[in-house]
Amino acid sequence: QQQVKQSPQSLIVQKGGIPIINCAYENTAFDYFPWYQQFPGKGPALLIAIRPDVSEKKEGRFTISFNKSAKQFSLHIMDSQPGDSATYFCAASNRGFGNEKLTFGTGTRLTIIP
Amino acid sequence: GAGVSQSPSNKVTEKGKDVELRCDPISGHTALYWYRQSLGQGLEFLIYFQGNSAPDKSGLPSDRFSAERTGGSVSTLTIQRTQQEDSAVYLCASSPQGGEQFFGPGTRLTVL
Repeated sequence: QQQVKQSPQSLIVQKGGIPIINCAYENTAFDYFPWYQQFPGKGPALLIAIRPDVSEKKEGRFTISFNKSAKQFSLHIMDSQPGDSATYFCAASNRGFGNEKLTFGTGTRLTIIP
Repeated sequence: GAGVSQSPSNKVTEKGKDVELRCDPISGHTALYWYRQSLGQGLEFLIYFQGNSAPDKSGLPSDRFSAERTGGSVSTLTIQRTQQEDSAVYLCASSPQGGEQFFGPGTRLTVL
């Protein structure tokens, strides 16, 4: 049973556009929602994370929007650049339970064309 | 400082052989995780070590998989009698308690 569903599977956006990646979760015990960026041949790296007590978090060009009632969260990339081309994973964990293992979405391959 | 390192970076083995994958976490990180990334899939949790607590093995797919963490530092993931479906990238991550998980570059395992 997949607990975090991610869409779209792939996305092509022109430079300067705003790609949006969506995730939905099922487990209401999740209390930590990070996004990871992965370049080919590298491990994932934390991009930005949010807790369910806020509806939006912004760090530089990256914004997470969180809808607790709908159990959905999304990543927006403002003024996208070719260097943002990577695979993006959403994830969730239940830190309050003391075990911080992450449940990941299936990933979105993002391509920013010049 | 050095990040999480994993060895080997690539491993090709024959079906039925045993393999050992190594992870060197960031010094001082109390938590260590193993995940598996199959082609076109997200990362799948395998096992989690936190300090001296009993590891959370709930993600191990079968009893052919085992892991240990010696001295609270280096970890080894062992896969016995490898099968073709074990082919994947095996990722290790470490974190301070309650902190961000830092991932290594992974070991790409190919079972022929």
